[in-house]
Amino acid sequence: GAVVSQHPSRVICKSGTSVKIECRSLDFQATTMFWYRQFPKQSLMLMATSNEGSKATYEQGVEKDKFLINHASLTLSTLTVTSAHPEDSSFYICSARMDENYGYTFGSGTRLTVV
Amino acid sequence: KNEVEQSPQNLTAQEGEFITINCSYSVGISALHWLQQHPGGGIVSLFMLSSGKKKHGRLIATINIQEKHSSLHITASHPRDSAVYICAVPDSNYQLIWGAGTKLIIKP
Repeated sequence: GAVVSQHPSRVICKSGTSVKIECRSLDFQATTMFWYRQFPKQSLMLMATSNEGSKATYEQGVEKDKFLINHASLTLSTLTVTSAHPEDSSFYICSARMDENYGYTFGSGTRLTVV
Repeated sequence: KNEVEQSPQNLTAQEGEFITINCSYSVGISALHWLQQHPGGGIVSLFMLSSGKKKHGRLIATINIQEKHSSLHITASHPRDSAVYICAVPDSNYQLIWGAGTKLIIKP
């Protein structure tokens, strides 16, 4: 089946540095990628929707200059957390819509810890 | 009122019990998704259904479009089934509207 490969699975970084998270669709073209964030014991919260070749659409309250999303190809979307702070520590997961029948597949997630 | 509501929020059962998780939605949908999130965080898509019933192993999902209700059943539950189960429906922009999830614990 369709797979989205997400890397890294875990990352620890120092406050003030930037971290890039990649999601690659391995056997299909992901025209739309959704990026979610999940804090402990909470539901997934949609951060932004990216479409290949165009600017991402951010949800209210998500800083687009802090969470940079690039979807330059049909198989790769990246989320860069810039100038990370401890409050950015969270679980980030991407999801791609696979086909017109609304099938979705999910990356395995990235657990970010900012120290 | 939330557009997608799940019940129960938490469910603890003994190994072998038959499990039912319910999902009601208030929006028009083309498909409903059942997802599983394990403690490590990874999410697996279990079912996508728009009518009737689907079965995969010990998992069964049903949907009643008229009543806007879906159920996920687990037969012969096992501790490895312990996870958070989430129902979700896509909106017109294909963004998933999530239920709050049901945390299932199966005790040996």
